[in-house]
Amino acid sequence: GQNIDQPTEMTATEGAIVQINCTYQTSGFNGLFWYQQHAGEAPTFLSYNVLDGLEEKGRFSSFLSRSKGYSYLLLKELQMKDSASYLCAAGTGGGYNKLIFGAGTRLAVHP
Amino acid sequence: NAGVTQTPKFRILKIGQSMTLQCTQDMNHNYMYWYRQDPGMGLKLIYYSVGAGITDKGEVPNGYNVSRSTTEDFPLRLELAAPSQTSVYFCASSRANRGGGLQPQHFGDGTRLSIL
Repeated sequence: GQNIDQPTEMTATEGAIVQINCTYQTSGFNGLFWYQQHAGEAPTFLSYNVLDGLEEKGRFSSFLSRSKGYSYLLLKELQMKDSASYLCAAGTGGGYNKLIFGAGTRLAVHP
Repeated sequence: NAGVTQTPKFRILKIGQSMTLQCTQDMNHNYMYWYRQDPGMGLKLIYYSVGAGITDKGEVPNGYNVSRSTTEDFPLRLELAAPSQTSVYFCASSRANRGGGLQPQHFGDGTRLSIL
C-alpha cells in the first residue's frame, strides 16, 4: 500500500535549526515534495528531490534517500513566520504528477 | 497573478443537496487536481485531469464527479451531499513533466464546505 509517515508536532526556538523527517512506502515513486501550509491557507511549494542527495534553497534544504525511503526538510535560522504545517508528499503515478501526502508536521517556533 | 482561483470560499449545504465547486487556472497548465483535507489529515486526491476531456479517479472519488471541457476549468460536483463530505477542498494545477523533471503543483485557496 501507500504510506507516508512524519511526526505530528515539533517545537523549536527562533534562530535555531530544525529537521523534519519523512518516511515513505509508495509504488511508482518518482520524487519527494515538501509543502508549507499556514493555518487556514493553501499549501505552498517549498522543494522537491528526484535523485538522492541534498537540495538547498536559501534557508530551506531537502534531502532524499531513495534506497531507504527517507527524506528530511531542514529549516535554518528559524523565524516566527515559519510556524506552520509542513507536508511531505511522494510523487507517484508515472508522469501525471500525482501526489500522496503525509498528514503533515505542525511546527511551532517560540521566541 | 491570479493563479488557481476557487469559488466559493465557504458554503453550508443540507444533506442531500448538490453543488459544484468551481476551479479555474490562468497558467495554461495541462494537469489539474482536486483534493480534500480533513482536520489533522493529509490531502487526499479525489480526481485529476491531464488535459481537456480527460479525467481519472484518485484515492477517494466516491460521491464526486468532475469534468474538464477546457484547459482552464475543472469543476467538482457533489450530487447528494453527505456529512462525511464536510471538509476543505483544494484545487491544484501543474505543468506536464518534461525531460524527467517533476513539476510542482500550485494550489488554490480552498473551499470550506460543511454538510449539516
